[in-house]
Amino acid sequence: EVQLVESGGGLVQPGGSLRLSCTVSGFTFRNYEMNWVRQAPGKGLEWVSYIGVRDVTYYADSVRGRFTVSRDNAKNSLYLEMNRLRAEDTAVYYCARDYGPYSSGAYDYWGQGTLVTVSS
Amino acid sequence: QSALTQPRSVSGSPGQSVTISCTGTSGDVGAYNYVAWYQQRPGKAPKLMIYDVTERPSGIPDRFSGSKSGNTASLAISGLQAEDEADYYCCSYASYNWVFGGGTKLTVL
Repeated sequence: EVQLVESGGGLVQPGGSLRLSCTVSGFTFRNYEMNWVRQAPGKGLEWVSYIGVRDVTYYADSVRGRFTVSRDNAKNSLYLEMNRLRAEDTAVYYCARDYGPYSSGAYDYWGQGTLVTVSS
Repeated sequence: QSALTQPRSVSGSPGQSVTISCTGTSGDVGAYNYVAWYQQRPGKAPKLMIYDVTERPSGIPDRFSGSKSGNTASLAISGLQAEDEADYYCCSYASYNWVFGGGTKLTVL
Protein backbone atom coordinates (compact mmCIF):
# COMPACT_ATOMS: atom_id res chain seq x y z
CA GLU A 1 0.00 0.00 0.00
CA VAL A 2 1.32 3.41 -0.99
CA GLN A 3 1.64 5.78 1.95
CA LEU A 4 2.99 9.30 2.33
CA VAL A 5 3.31 10.71 5.84
CA GLU A 6 4.24 14.33 6.47
CA SER A 7 5.70 15.63 9.71
CA GLY A 8 7.45 18.69 11.07
CA GLY A 9 4.65 21.24 11.03
CA GLY A 10 3.94 23.55 13.93
CA LEU A 11 3.84 27.13 15.16
CA VAL A 12 6.72 29.38 14.16
CA GLN A 13 7.30 33.12 14.43
CA PRO A 14 7.54 35.34 11.35
CA GLY A 15 11.08 35.22 10.02
CA GLY A 16 11.65 31.78 11.49
CA SER A 17 12.46 28.45 9.90
CA LEU A 18 10.92 25.00 9.77
CA ARG A 19 11.77 21.72 8.06
CA LEU A 20 9.02 19.47 6.82
CA SER A 21 9.51 15.77 6.09
CA CYS A 22 7.51 13.33 4.01
CA THR A 23 8.30 9.66 4.53
CA VAL A 24 6.94 7.30 1.91
CA SER A 25 6.39 3.56 1.63
CA GLY A 26 4.81 1.09 -0.75
CA PHE A 27 6.63 2.20 -3.90
CA THR A 28 10.15 2.76 -5.24
CA PHE A 29 10.64 6.35 -4.14
CA ARG A 30 13.76 7.02 -6.25
CA ASN A 31 11.76 6.45 -9.45
CA TYR A 32 9.20 9.19 -8.83
CA GLU A 33 9.07 12.95 -9.09
CA MET A 34 7.61 14.53 -5.97
CA ASN A 35 5.90 17.78 -5.08
CA TRP A 36 4.82 19.96 -2.20
CA VAL A 37 1.37 21.54 -2.41
CA ARG A 38 -0.12 23.78 0.27
CA GLN A 39 -3.56 24.97 1.26
CA ALA A 40 -4.13 28.03 3.43
CA PRO A 41 -7.03 27.72 5.90
CA GLY A 42 -10.30 27.92 4.00
CA LYS A 43 -8.48 28.59 0.71
CA GLY A 44 -7.55 26.71 -2.44
CA LEU A 45 -4.59 24.57 -3.40
CA GLU A 46 -1.25 26.11 -4.32
CA TRP A 47 1.67 24.23 -5.87
CA VAL A 48 4.87 25.00 -3.94
CA SER A 49 7.78 22.96 -5.27
CA TYR A 50 8.88 19.99 -7.38
CA ILE A 51 11.87 17.69 -7.28
CA GLY A 52 12.71 15.28 -10.07
CA VAL A 53 14.39 11.90 -9.93
CA ARG A 54 17.72 13.54 -10.75
CA ASP A 55 17.18 16.30 -8.16
CA VAL A 56 16.15 19.04 -10.58
CA THR A 57 13.98 21.46 -8.61
CA TYR A 58 11.35 24.09 -9.35
CA TYR A 59 9.57 26.54 -7.07
CA ALA A 60 6.55 28.78 -7.07
CA ASP A 61 7.43 32.47 -7.26
CA SER A 62 5.96 32.99 -3.79
CA VAL A 63 8.58 30.76 -2.14
CA ARG A 64 11.58 30.84 -4.45
CA GLY A 65 14.71 31.88 -2.55
CA ARG A 66 13.16 31.02 0.83
CA PHE A 67 12.21 27.35 0.48
CA THR A 68 14.42 24.43 -0.53
CA VAL A 69 13.17 20.99 -1.53
CA SER A 70 15.40 17.93 -1.26
CA ARG A 71 15.13 14.15 -1.15
CA ASP A 72 17.00 11.25 0.43
CA ASN A 73 16.26 8.13 -1.59
CA ALA A 74 18.03 5.90 0.95
CA LYS A 75 15.58 7.09 3.61
CA ASN A 76 12.53 7.20 1.30
CA SER A 77 12.07 10.78 2.38
CA LEU A 78 11.24 14.15 0.88
CA TYR A 79 12.00 17.41 2.66
CA LEU A 80 11.01 21.06 2.52
CA GLU A 81 13.30 23.51 4.27
CA MET A 82 11.37 26.73 4.87
CA ASN A 83 13.20 29.92 5.85
CA ARG A 84 12.17 33.55 6.37
CA LEU A 85 8.63 32.42 6.98
CA ARG A 86 5.76 34.87 6.58
CA ALA A 87 2.20 34.91 7.84
CA GLU A 88 1.01 34.10 4.33
CA ASP A 89 2.92 30.80 4.45
CA THR A 90 0.41 29.53 7.01
CA ALA A 91 -1.16 26.45 5.45
CA VAL A 92 -1.51 22.71 5.45
CA TYR A 93 1.43 21.35 3.48
CA TYR A 94 0.93 18.17 1.48
CA CYS A 95 3.53 16.03 -0.24
CA ALA A 96 2.24 14.47 -3.46
CA ARG A 97 3.57 11.91 -5.92
CA ASP A 98 3.67 12.58 -9.65
CA TYR A 99 1.45 10.30 -11.71
CA GLY A 100 2.94 9.24 -15.01
CA PRO A 101 6.16 10.27 -16.72
CA TYR A 102 5.40 13.82 -17.80
CA SER A 103 5.10 15.83 -14.56
CA SER A 104 1.83 17.10 -15.92
CA GLY A 105 0.31 18.28 -12.65
CA ALA A 106 -1.32 14.95 -11.96
CA TYR A 107 -0.60 13.74 -8.44
CA ASP A 108 -1.97 10.30 -7.64
CA TYR A 109 -0.99 9.90 -4.00
CA TRP A 110 -1.03 12.55 -1.30
CA GLY A 111 -0.09 12.61 2.34
CA GLN A 112 -2.51 13.64 5.06
CA GLY A 113 -0.87 17.06 5.36
CA THR A 114 0.97 18.89 8.12
CA LEU A 115 -0.12 22.30 9.40
CA VAL A 116 2.34 25.18 9.47
CA THR A 117 1.25 28.27 11.37
CA VAL A 118 3.33 31.43 11.14
CA SER A 119 2.35 33.83 13.88
CA SER A 120 3.83 35.86 16.70
CA GLN B 1 1.78 32.77 -12.24
CA SER B 2 -1.89 33.62 -11.67
CA ALA B 3 -4.39 31.05 -10.50
CA LEU B 4 -6.72 29.52 -13.06
CA THR B 5 -10.30 30.83 -12.95
CA GLN B 6 -13.08 28.55 -11.78
CA PRO B 7 -16.67 29.37 -10.76
CA ARG B 8 -16.99 29.63 -7.00
CA SER B 9 -19.90 27.23 -6.89
CA VAL B 10 -22.12 24.99 -8.99
CA SER B 11 -25.08 22.86 -8.02
CA GLY B 12 -27.30 20.16 -9.38
CA SER B 13 -29.89 17.61 -8.34
CA PRO B 14 -29.19 13.89 -8.10
CA GLY B 15 -29.12 12.32 -11.54
CA GLN B 16 -28.45 15.61 -13.31
CA SER B 17 -25.23 16.70 -15.01
CA VAL B 18 -22.98 19.63 -14.17
CA THR B 19 -19.92 21.15 -15.80
CA ILE B 20 -17.13 23.04 -14.07
CA SER B 21 -14.96 25.34 -16.16
CA CYS B 22 -11.32 26.23 -15.67
CA THR B 23 -10.01 29.21 -17.62
CA GLY B 24 -6.35 29.91 -18.04
CA THR B 25 -4.16 31.50 -20.66
CA SER B 26 -2.17 30.62 -23.75
CA GLY B 27 0.76 30.01 -21.40
CA ASP B 28 -0.87 27.25 -19.38
CA VAL B 29 -4.20 25.58 -20.24
CA GLY B 30 -4.01 26.68 -23.86
CA ALA B 31 -0.42 25.63 -24.36
CA TYR B 32 -0.37 22.07 -23.04
CA ASN B 33 -2.65 19.06 -22.82
CA TYR B 34 -1.70 18.77 -19.18
CA VAL B 35 -4.79 19.62 -17.14
CA ALA B 36 -5.75 17.61 -14.09
CA TRP B 37 -8.84 17.73 -11.89
CA TYR B 38 -9.06 16.98 -8.18
CA GLN B 39 -11.91 16.28 -5.80
CA GLN B 40 -11.45 17.33 -2.20
CA ARG B 41 -13.83 16.52 0.61
CA PRO B 42 -13.66 18.49 3.88
CA GLY B 43 -10.62 17.64 5.97
CA LYS B 44 -9.24 15.24 3.36
CA ALA B 45 -6.40 15.29 0.87
CA PRO B 46 -7.27 15.94 -2.78
CA LYS B 47 -8.08 12.97 -5.01
CA LEU B 48 -7.03 12.79 -8.66
CA MET B 49 -10.09 12.48 -10.92
CA ILE B 50 -8.82 13.43 -14.40
CA TYR B 51 -5.33 13.89 -15.85
CA ASP B 52 -3.96 14.93 -19.24
CA VAL B 53 -7.26 16.75 -19.95
CA THR B 54 -9.37 13.64 -20.64
CA GLU B 55 -7.83 10.61 -18.94
CA ARG B 56 -9.32 8.88 -15.89
CA PRO B 57 -7.13 7.07 -13.37
CA SER B 58 -8.10 3.54 -12.50
CA GLY B 59 -11.14 3.43 -10.24
CA ILE B 60 -12.66 6.75 -11.26
CA PRO B 61 -16.17 6.22 -12.66
CA ASP B 62 -16.88 7.22 -16.24
CA ARG B 63 -19.47 9.71 -14.93
CA PHE B 64 -16.47 12.03 -14.70
CA SER B 65 -15.05 13.34 -17.96
CA GLY B 66 -12.70 16.12 -19.01
CA SER B 67 -12.30 18.25 -22.09
CA LYS B 68 -10.56 21.38 -23.30
CA SER B 69 -11.18 24.12 -25.83
CA GLY B 70 -8.63 26.84 -26.27
CA ASN B 71 -7.69 28.28 -22.89
CA THR B 72 -10.60 26.67 -21.04
CA ALA B 73 -10.75 23.16 -19.64
CA SER B 74 -13.92 21.59 -18.29
CA LEU B 75 -14.91 18.81 -15.93
CA ALA B 76 -18.28 17.22 -16.57
CA ILE B 77 -20.06 15.08 -14.02
CA SER B 78 -23.10 13.13 -15.14
CA GLY B 79 -25.61 11.21 -13.04
CA LEU B 80 -24.88 13.33 -9.98
CA GLN B 81 -24.75 11.48 -6.69
CA ALA B 82 -24.77 12.81 -3.15
CA GLU B 83 -21.20 11.59 -2.69
CA ASP B 84 -20.03 13.94 -5.48
CA GLU B 85 -20.57 16.93 -3.20
CA ALA B 86 -17.07 18.33 -2.67
CA ASP B 87 -14.64 21.00 -3.79
CA TYR B 88 -13.10 20.53 -7.24
CA TYR B 89 -9.80 22.00 -8.41
CA CYS B 90 -8.19 22.11 -11.81
CA CYS B 91 -4.42 22.18 -12.25
CA SER B 92 -2.38 22.97 -15.35
CA TYR B 93 1.27 22.69 -16.29
CA ALA B 94 2.77 26.06 -17.18
CA SER B 95 6.40 25.69 -18.19
CA TYR B 96 8.20 24.47 -15.06
CA ASN B 97 5.36 25.73 -12.90
CA TRP B 98 2.09 24.14 -11.99
CA VAL B 99 -0.93 26.32 -11.32
CA PHE B 100 -4.21 25.44 -9.63
CA GLY B 101 -7.62 26.96 -10.04
CA GLY B 102 -9.31 28.68 -7.14
CA GLY B 103 -11.68 25.77 -6.61
CA THR B 104 -15.39 25.16 -7.17
CA LYS B 105 -17.80 23.97 -4.53
CA LEU B 106 -20.24 21.44 -5.94
CA THR B 107 -23.50 21.16 -4.04
CA VAL B 108 -25.83 18.25 -4.73
CA LEU B 109 -29.30 19.55 -3.95
